[in-house]
Amino acid sequence: KAGVTQTPRYLIKTRGQQVTLSCSPISGHRSVSWYQQTPGQGLQFLFEYFSETQRNKGNFPGRFSGRQFSNSRSEMNVSTLELGDSALYLCASSLRTDNTGELFFGEGSRLTVL
Amino acid sequence: QKEVEQDPGPLSVPEGAIVSLNCTYSNSAFQYFMWYRQYSRKGPELLMYTYSSGNKEDGRFTAQVDKSSKYISLFIRDSQPSDSATYLCAMSAWAGFQKLVFGTGTRLLVSP
Repeated sequence: KAGVTQTPRYLIKTRGQQVTLSCSPISGHRSVSWYQQTPGQGLQFLFEYFSETQRNKGNFPGRFSGRQFSNSRSEMNVSTLELGDSALYLCASSLRTDNTGELFFGEGSRLTVL
Repeated sequence: QKEVEQDPGPLSVPEGAIVSLNCTYSNSAFQYFMWYRQYSRKGPELLMYTYSSGNKEDGRFTAQVDKSSKYISLFIRDSQPSDSATYLCAMSAWAGFQKLVFGTGTRLLVSP
């Protein structure tokens, strides 16, 4: 069974640019969530999508946005990049059950903003 | 102050040692507690989860939750070099585990 796939794995951007990251969840998983991981802050929740609807959102500015497609694949976009956006962006999928909602993480997209 | 505090380490132990990893938290609404393991250049993987207070054991791993003290622990018995990784505690106030609050992680090094 294939795991969560994130693309691209590494990317370098300059301040002011925008970036789009992609996530393909495990087959059959309908919930996709995104986290930002930095050395100082650890993993911070960005947002969660289920059946193409954003269900939860973390405390990030509006420059961070996302969407989910009918096949459960998800993308997140960061506009007007800042140096502080350099981080590992992790996508996780789950079956969205109340009892065993284990998150399965991808290997992440490492973004460097110069 | 962060909602979840975790010592970043690194914690260095010899093979076979018992390892104790801990987190404290401030939000009394947290009911679901998890430990994730993250190897270098990989995403986190779920090790243990517990609901409310109590202990849970799975092989060499034991998770403890003390809600009265807002303190959770992960014990690793007979530690192995393959246990060398970063251990992240995570918690949630909701039944769905998607919106988790993570600690910053403790790096564990187990030497042969």
